[in-house]
Amino acid sequence: SQQGEEDPQALSIQEGENATMNCSYKTSINNLQWYRQNSGRGLVHLILIRSNEREKHSGRLRVTLDTSKKSSSLLITASRATDTASYFCATDGGYGGATNKLIFGTGTLLAVQP
Amino acid sequence: EPEVTQTPSHQVTQMGQEVILRCVPISNHLYFYWYRQILGQKVEFLVSFYNNEISEKSEIFDDQFSVERPDGSNFTLKIRSTKLEDSAMYFCASSQTGIAQYFGPGTRLTVT
Repeated sequence: SQQGEEDPQALSIQEGENATMNCSYKTSINNLQWYRQNSGRGLVHLILIRSNEREKHSGRLRVTLDTSKKSSSLLITASRATDTASYFCATDGGYGGATNKLIFGTGTLLAVQP
Repeated sequence: EPEVTQTPSHQVTQMGQEVILRCVPISNHLYFYWYRQILGQKVEFLVSFYNNEISEKSEIFDDQFSVERPDGSNFTLKIRSTKLEDSAMYFCASSQTGIAQYFGPGTRLTVT
């Protein structure tokens, strides 16, 4: 089984619309993070939500976490063409201590049409 | 805003050669990581480093791989004898607390 599976795999919307991406995971977690990756580039940290939080906002981003369903969603409001990228969720798999390796999902490719 | 930097951005090497990928983590960070992403696949954890030693490594991180923090600013990944399947984008990441991890832009390694 895979930790961190996003859906949809690909999403195409018009500029100004909202984009919602979902992530499911299988193990317990301490936190979940969302990252953005522009084609062929590095990973940009967007937001972190802890297991005891249900919702978090950062600018046009809204992240929810439902630990009972082992799922998270990322909402981008009023999307822009520059939001076009792949979006990944990453969990820590419930590990603690000095490890905290991240387990990444397969990603959602978001295309925002101008 | 401080960033993780990586050099080179692209490295082409022949099979069997040694490569060293370099990273400068964010200066007050204490936890360091290497990940890789084979084209079209997931980002995969390779190794974590804390307090001057490896804290965890994945199955991918075999004897051909090593990491070093030679001074107070650099963090390197060495692959002793590269294979074709080592071709990937390699990302360095650092973290102050071991929780939120900040990634560099990556080094694209091409083994021919």
